[in-house]
Amino acid sequence: ETGVTQSPTHLIKTRGQQVTLRCSSQSGHNTVSWYQQALGQGPQFIFQYYREEENGRGNFPPRFSGLQFPNYSSELNVNALELDDSALYLCASRSFAGNTGELFFGEGSRLTVL
Amino acid sequence: AQSVTQLGSHVSVSEGALVLLRCNYSSSVPPYLFWYVQYPNQGLQLLLKYTTGATLVKGINGFEAEFKKSETSFHLTKPSAHMSDAAEYFCAVMAGSARQLTFGSGTQLTVLP
Repeated sequence: ETGVTQSPTHLIKTRGQQVTLRCSSQSGHNTVSWYQQALGQGPQFIFQYYREEENGRGNFPPRFSGLQFPNYSSELNVNALELDDSALYLCASRSFAGNTGELFFGEGSRLTVL
Repeated sequence: AQSVTQLGSHVSVSEGALVLLRCNYSSSVPPYLFWYVQYPNQGLQLLLKYTTGATLVKGINGFEAEFKKSETSFHLTKPSAHMSDAAEYFCAVMAGSARQLTFGSGTQLTVLP
């Protein structure tokens, strides 16, 4: 069974640029969510995708957008990068069935904005 | 709205001593509660979860947590700390239409030899 994989693991961008982060969900999982973890803080929910549609969103501006593909993999896009976007971005997947909805996390993509 | 408060951003214990990490939650609906552990430069790993049923939940690596509705608490304990337990621990509550997790700010556990 393949776990959640994310790429790239590290990247550096400058303010105003755009970035795309990628995530492959765990085998058998059709729901992917993204979290932002700033240094020294807990992860914060950005949004979730199920069946290629966004079905939940946290308190993040529209310049944070995403996609989910037919194979359930996902992308997180951030436009007009700001210094405060520097963080670890975590992808998580789960099978949508059931109330427990346990999330399985990848190791994250660490973004530094200069 | 749901929220989680973790008391103590840093906790130090001696190897072999009791580990107690505190978590209080606020939820307008019966909560689903989770504890995750994060080792340096890694993602989050589930330690244990409470959904319904027995209020004492056992997890991996000897950890357990007790759901106390009257105290709105879900504290994490381990009878005897090991050096390998040094990590950051996050308490989370699951809610919302997307069943997303709301995390606390984390507790960094240091285990002293």
